Amino acid sequence: NAGVMQNPRHLVRRRGQEARLRCSPMKGHSHVYWYRQLPEEGLKFMVYLQKENIIDESGMPKERFSAEFPKEGPSILRIQQVVRGDSAAYFCASSPSPTTYEQYFGPGTRLTVT
Amino acid sequence: DAKTTQPTSMDCAEGRAANLPCNHSTISGNEYVYWYRQIHSQGPQYIIHGLKNNETNEMASLIITEDRKSSTLILPHATLRDTAVYYCIVRVDSGAGSYQLTFGKGTKLSVIP
Repeated sequence: NAGVMQNPRHLVRRRGQEARLRCSPMKGHSHVYWYRQLPEEGLKFMVYLQKENIIDESGMPKERFSAEFPKEGPSILRIQQVVRGDSAAYFCASSPSPTTYEQYFGPGTRLTVT
Repeated sequence: DAKTTQPTSMDCAEGRAANLPCNHSTISGNEYVYWYRQIHSQGPQYIIHGLKNNETNEMASLIITEDRKSSTLILPHATLRDTAVYYCIVRVDSGAGSYQLTFGKGTKLSVIP
């Protein structure tokens, strides 16, 4: 059973470009969570999605950031018009239910904005 | 979720027990204590969790004080592969926000040969 997969693992974007980060949850998991980790910091919750629904986006910046989890395909975290402050590691986690004690994390995507 | 306090860093000799403390003095009755770790550049990995009883699994033991204001994660025989940042997290067991994991800065454990 493959774990949570994220791609790309590393992404370089220039200021003003768009970044798309993909997350494929573990098989059988329909709940996806995105976290952001700034350098030397702990992970911060961004958004929680179920298939075709955003459940909680309280941790998402109000502008330029969006997330989706379509019926088919991976979850996508989209950052428009990236700025240097968006440089961070973005982790996706999945679980079979929202109250499952364990969230399974992917390897992360490291975004660098130049 | 309650705030947790952990030492910034700790060293442990290989083969010895690593005892990682965590203070969570404002924990509520329905909040569990979770431990995750993050090995360099990887995604966090779940270790163990508990409510008020001590817990043990194949990775570690969790000791929670009777008043639940602090806990200790014990790695019984630390290896070099246990070098990582260890996060102590408190989390409600159900309801709004229960799915959110709030990570602090954790404790950087270095296992020394």
